[in-house]
This record gives sequence, structure tokens and C-alpha cells, in this order.
Amino acid sequence: AQKVTQAQTEISVVEKEDVTLDCVYETRDTTYYLFWYKQPPSGELVFLIRRNSFDEQNEISGRYSWNFQKSTSSFNFTITASQVVDSAVYFCALSGSWAAGNKLTFGGGTRVLVKP
Amino acid sequence: DTGVSQDPRHKITKRGQNVTFRCDPISEHNRLYWYRQTLGQGPEFLTYFQNEAQLEKSRLLSDRFSAERPKGSFSTLEIQRTEQGDSAMYLCASSLTGEPGELFFGEGSRLTVL
Repeated sequence: AQKVTQAQTEISVVEKEDVTLDCVYETRDTTYYLFWYKQPPSGELVFLIRRNSFDEQNEISGRYSWNFQKSTSSFNFTITASQVVDSAVYFCALSGSWAAGNKLTFGGGTRVLVKP
Repeated sequence: DTGVSQDPRHKITKRGQNVTFRCDPISEHNRLYWYRQTLGQGPEFLTYFQNEAQLEKSRLLSDRFSAERPKGSFSTLEIQRTEQGDSAMYLCASSLTGEPGELFFGEGSRLTVL
């Protein structure tokens, strides 16, 4: 069975501070994919990034960066210089292969509140 | 707008009534997923289709729930004899073959059972 744990339920920061969201996952699959989705107040989940289990290269995209560490089963996400528009719930998710259906297992989410 | 659309956006019903939600996926997407999200929780997988075939159903999907995707286009999710515990946001998502896990979600249909 797959499981995703986001230990932080809510993080509150002041604008321009950095925010790091933790994600720990469990899976028995050798091939799997990890994701971060953003859910703004409007409710529509928005895809941010995908990483496969063979790609541990960390990535920076604008103010977003991701740290994937297979040895600790973690896939953390950092927002640098946060802005009010970053306020949302962020979900870490895990899926198996395409052949297995690619259904996502989500963590419980971390609510980020960025105050001006 | 060519994204995933869901209807209705909100539904309030009395316990015991039947409700039906509709999802129109992105037109070229052959996979369609239904998820349920309760307040303060992450979405939970309910079922998915590849074209018109329903390939998997979660144990969360009791006998009162049925989903269809006739002709592999839009999908409906029907809940019979609703219970208060069915109150949740029902999310639909679609995906393109070859893009593992990048699901495109609709805005959801919020169900309130009184």
C-alpha cells in the first residue's frame, strides 16, 4: 500500500520569508512518481511538479524548488521569498506506474498562509 | 475554456435522496478519475476509467455509488440513498496517455447532505 505523510498541517509566514513543506512517502513499487499540487481557495487542484523514482536531481523553477531524497523517502518543497498569492493548500502525492492506473495517493495537505 | 468541467458545483440534498454529478474531461484525455475530498483532508481515490472501461474501484465506493463513462467521453457519478457521511467535495480529473500522474482537475462538486 502507498502512503503519503505531510506532518505540517499549517504554516504561517510573513511575505518574503521562505517556506519549506515536508513530505514523506511509503511505497513498495520500484518505479513510482512523486508530485506536488496546489489547491488555492477556488478549490481546483493545480499540478506543480512531477518526479520519477529514478530522477533524484533537485530542481529550481523560479521561486519554487524541490528536494527529492530516496534514501529518506522524502520529497520536500520550498517556496523562496513567499508572496500573498502563494497562500493555498499544498498536497504531496504519489503514484505507481501508468500500467497500474496512475491513481494518486495524496497526503493530508499543508495550508500555507502568507501574510503581507 | 477547455479544462475539466463539473456540474453542478454545489448540491444540497436531504438524506435518502439520490444525486448525480457530471464531469466533462479535456477532450483528448482517455483517462478519467473521481476523487472525494472531505474538509481538511487530501483527496481520496474513488474510481477511474480508461475510455469507457471502469478499471478500478476503491473500497470507499460502496454499493450506493455508481460511475459510468458512456462512449468514453463525459462521466457521471451517482450516489443513491445519500447519507450525511457522503457530504464532501467530489473531484473529477482527466489525464493524457503517457503522462504519468499529471492529472487535470475540475473545480469539484460540493455535496451537502442534510
